Amino acid sequence: GAVVSQHPSWVICKSGTSVKIECRSLDFQATTMFWYRQFPKQSLMLMATSNEGSKATYEQGVEKDKFLINHASLTLSTLTVTSAHPEDSSFYICSASRCATTYEQYFGPGTRLTVT
Amino acid sequence: GIQVEQSPPDLILQEGANSTLRCNFSDSVNNLQWFHQNPWGQLINLFYIPSGTKQNGRLSATTVATERYSLLYISSSQTTDSGVYFCAVANSGNTPLVFGKGTRLSVIA
Repeated sequence: GAVVSQHPSWVICKSGTSVKIECRSLDFQATTMFWYRQFPKQSLMLMATSNEGSKATYEQGVEKDKFLINHASLTLSTLTVTSAHPEDSSFYICSASRCATTYEQYFGPGTRLTVT
Repeated sequence: GIQVEQSPPDLILQEGANSTLRCNFSDSVNNLQWFHQNPWGQLINLFYIPSGTKQNGRLSATTVATERYSLLYISSSQTTDSGVYFCAVANSGNTPLVFGKGTRLSVIA
């Protein structure tokens, strides 16, 4: 159990377009999901915390108008990169916790975004 | 915020050798997880271990919460163990994980 999926697994888009990435908890409900970004040869950095039914909380330096997060249900959070530019090319990973008896977090397989 | 330091940053092993990876953290934690990131980028969850000791096959981990460190042991290493190992922690409730910079392991035949 505790599977998190992401779609798409990779995407190539042109500069100026928008891309939507989905994060789903397949076998549990998650009131909170997290979005991370990883650049090559670097560690994961938190972008935002996604809360079901309320606004996301963004980390300092992350533009909320550029990275739109919608947590419309207890199993789905989406990240939309608006007006993407080459510097947005990165690996985006989401995670969720079951909040049952532990705080263990489960990570999706990631989405590799390339903006040309 | 909480700081996480991993050592060594890079490690090269001969196949069959054993190794110990270390994770130091700056504050008390209620979540500590070890991950292996494979060449495709996927994070493989190795251990959820905010305290105590766990073993899974050739891997084992120990967290000494009072001294703010965790160790990941890899025994009889194989080439498939190559990749980046991350330690990540959180110190309150259902909060996001803070990742260390990772240890890049290369196991050569």
